[in-house]
Amino acid sequence: QQQVKQSPQSLIVQKGGISIINCAYENTAFDYFPWYQQFPGKGPALLIAIRPDVSEKKEGRFTISFNKSAKQFSLHIMDSQPGDSATYFCASTASNTGKLIFGQGTTLQVKP
Amino acid sequence: DVKVTQSSRYLVKRTGEKVFLECVQDMDHENMFWYRQDPGLGLRLIYFSYDVKMKEKGDIPEGYSVSREKKERFSLILESASTNQTSMYLCASSRGGGAYHEQFFGPGTRLTVL
Repeated sequence: QQQVKQSPQSLIVQKGGISIINCAYENTAFDYFPWYQQFPGKGPALLIAIRPDVSEKKEGRFTISFNKSAKQFSLHIMDSQPGDSATYFCASTASNTGKLIFGQGTTLQVKP
Repeated sequence: DVKVTQSSRYLVKRTGEKVFLECVQDMDHENMFWYRQDPGLGLRLIYFSYDVKMKEKGDIPEGYSVSREKKERFSLILESASTNQTSMYLCASSRGGGAYHEQFFGPGTRLTVL
């Protein structure tokens, strides 16, 4: 019930294309869904986050789509750039815990 | 500029050695976390602390212990290192009050146990 399943494990996209990373969770108490971005040699950093009271959140080229009934959420990167090449982690948590549950990670490579 | 620093970027130890990984944050955060990162497994929480001298087990605490004597410092201890503890170790900190607050990560320590 505590798992967050992320797919795909790796993704190669051409410059200008759309990158899509999916996550599924089991615990219906989860109510906060952040995405973290990690560049090689660096720690992860918060990219964008969503609460379940909205179905979509957009920040620049990055959009989270959230489907509460399916218990799924996804990250869309529009007009993908080589600088977006990184590892992306989804995560979830519930209000009664002090910790995030992270997905397995997706390594994105954007080819010029 | 907020900062989480970790004592070493790379560490090589022998099986059975006692290993200390140190983490310091300068943001006056209440919460601190230790994760290990392995390919295909994502970030797995080892221990976290929500106050000085307080600690809670994460998902994979076996073989590890922690110490938080000062608010800004959180140490991860491997009492007797084993080869299956070869991994990337990440420290993070956040404001108190649940997991809704952004976690700030250090650059990580890559530990190799021979």
